[in-house]
Amino acid sequence: GENVEQHPSTLSVQEGDSAVIKCTYSDSASNYFPWYKQELGKGPQLIIDIRSNVGEKKDQRIAVTLNKTAKHFSLHITETQPEDSAVYFCAAPRGSGNEKLTFGTGTRLTIIP
Amino acid sequence: DTAVSQTPKYLVTQMGNDKSIKCEQNLGHDTMYWYKQDSKKFLKIMFSYNNKELIINETVPNRFSPKSPDKAHLNLHINSLELGDSAVYFCASSQGAGGRAQHFGDGTRLSIL
Repeated sequence: GENVEQHPSTLSVQEGDSAVIKCTYSDSASNYFPWYKQELGKGPQLIIDIRSNVGEKKDQRIAVTLNKTAKHFSLHITETQPEDSAVYFCAAPRGSGNEKLTFGTGTRLTIIP
Repeated sequence: DTAVSQTPKYLVTQMGNDKSIKCEQNLGHDTMYWYKQDSKKFLKIMFSYNNKELIINETVPNRFSPKSPDKAHLNLHINSLELGDSAVYFCASSQGAGGRAQHFGDGTRLSIL
């Protein structure tokens, strides 16, 4: 089955600096890699995702990079703001139809004003 | 106009009781999920229905019984509640079952006394 490792578990950065969260996965058949943001008392919210046929995707201050050979993908947040403080989860699919998502263990990101 | 809504938001009950959690989505999606998030924030898939058909049934005790009366609703009934069932339960939905963006509700916090 799929094994997803996520690092770091906690991350504090100064407002305006960049934050990077990394994930590795084990199943070479995985083809879809989403990132979720979870704020206190809320459900995870999809912020960006990438498919295995591209190496990078960007949406304003958020970008995701994928290295299929090394089986790792990363979330990059630039010009961080206090509202970026949350728990971030990566995920990778498993199952014959990639129908099951295995989530990473989460990264608690704190933006220091 | 909440996309994925769960009721109740909080559920406090005694060990041994039976309880249900309800979920509704108005996104027109054909696939719905139940996840469990424990106190360490680990997020794990429990069940999934696609067009009212059960497609994912992880190693969950058979005290947990999902039911999907139609594509927009997925309920979770739990019999003989145990202390270890205390967690936050999230409902999610997606259009299609494999490698698709999942939209989460805000969770039901279940506390067993």
